[in-house]
Amino acid sequence: DAKTTQPPSMDCAEGRAANLPCNHSTISGNEYVYWYRQIHSQGPQYIIHGLKNNETNEMASLIITEDRKSSTLILPHATLRDTAVYYCIVKWGATNKLIFGTGTLLAVQP
Amino acid sequence: DTEVTQTPKHLVMGMTNKKSLKCEQHMGHRAMYWYKQKAKKPPELMFVYSYEKLSINESVPSRFSPECPNSSLLNLHLHALQPEDSALYLCASSHRRTELNTEAFFGQGTRLTVV
Repeated sequence: DAKTTQPPSMDCAEGRAANLPCNHSTISGNEYVYWYRQIHSQGPQYIIHGLKNNETNEMASLIITEDRKSSTLILPHATLRDTAVYYCIVKWGATNKLIFGTGTLLAVQP
Repeated sequence: DTEVTQTPKHLVMGMTNKKSLKCEQHMGHRAMYWYKQKAKKPPELMFVYSYEKLSINESVPSRFSPECPNSSLLNLHLHALQPEDSALYLCASSHRRTELNTEAFFGQGTRLTVV
């Protein structure tokens, strides 16, 4: 599985967009990019995933670069409840092996 | 129902005790997982069950013994643990059919303290 690199922490003002970057330069053609988040002392929560096209759902948008070597998770209007550790994970579709990296601690400030 | 239910929420056990953690889901998922998470660290994969059979064991010590008695239940039997095994134990489930390529659902975890 490809490894990912994320900044250890980021701040964002409440109501503004939070843009969380992830580098996955060794990603292979059949590997998907997944994003999960973990609010303090809770289980991880799925946010979104994609292969090569940009994706959007009710929680967030996922922008994947054309060469697929990096991606950005966008929370369009961050709230205090979005304060969490965000994990970018690259996973081959045919495996159930979901491996977490160190993630980004997003702190949304009032 | 998109819940993964873990019991108990908290557990304190001695190093000579035997205890079990329980995980249940009713989403028809045929892949189930155990993760261990130490404070301020990411979750670490321990075991994966696929169609009630153990498919991945990430070199976990034998004092942790998983069991999948049916498609809805996953247990983790604990015996002769050490204080360093104190952690949050997370259960998750997902569709096994790879073409669905869907997300994993996590429980809220069992906070285990070994004394």
